[in-house]
Amino acid sequence: QVQLQESGPGLVKPSGTLSLTCAVSGGSISSSNWWSWVRQPPGKGLEWIGEIYHSGSTNYNPSLKSRVTISVDKSKNQFSLKLSSVTAADTAVYYCARVTQQQLVDWFDPWGQGTLVTVSS
Amino acid sequence: QTVVTQEPSLTVSPGGTVTLTCASSTGAVTSGYYPNWFQQKPGQAPRALIYSTSNKHSWTPARFSGSLLGGKAALTLSGVQPEDEAEYYCLLYYGGARVFGGGTKLTVL
Repeated sequence: QVQLQESGPGLVKPSGTLSLTCAVSGGSISSSNWWSWVRQPPGKGLEWIGEIYHSGSTNYNPSLKSRVTISVDKSKNQFSLKLSSVTAADTAVYYCARVTQQQLVDWFDPWGQGTLVTVSS
Repeated sequence: QTVVTQEPSLTVSPGGTVTLTCASSTGAVTSGYYPNWFQQKPGQAPRALIYSTSNKHSWTPARFSGSLLGGKAALTLSGVQPEDEAEYYCLLYYGGARVFGGGTKLTVL
């Protein structure tokens, strides 16, 4: 079955750019799915960041849109997140997930295990 | 800024029934919002429970059910078990954008 694994630096300096990758195994990123990023600050709730289709089409959270770029690398079967101008408020566990959208259904599964990114000097 | 509202916390006795709700600041929640429900336990990634209002995943226990209730999405747990103590999140789709609710901490006591 499809498995997702996040990777990237666990520490990013304020005003820098957070960069994470989600490797997809057991399936193709070019399948008819969207691929999403979600984050969770320590002790707080989930926040949807955005999603990408293998064609490159994207949807972003309006509150983050000016700082977020999600891209896909079909050759490596992975997708990535870049969040610029980070502050301590961007400290969170970042999750990637597959989104299946079919005719009248829409679901998020599977999820990666999550990776903690801390913004600090 | 669209806001999705859930009860911050609920308490239920083992064997009891509890309903969690998910409201949208834009108005009544319909099936077109494709409501999803997730369960999250401490230190774990969210686990999908219900999708598109009322559909269960193959791993979703039968005691969980989803519906639309009074203009909100709802998650009902019937015959609550101690292991159901967790945080529950709903997620709504707004035609390209998605918004999570703030989560409901369910205590089984």
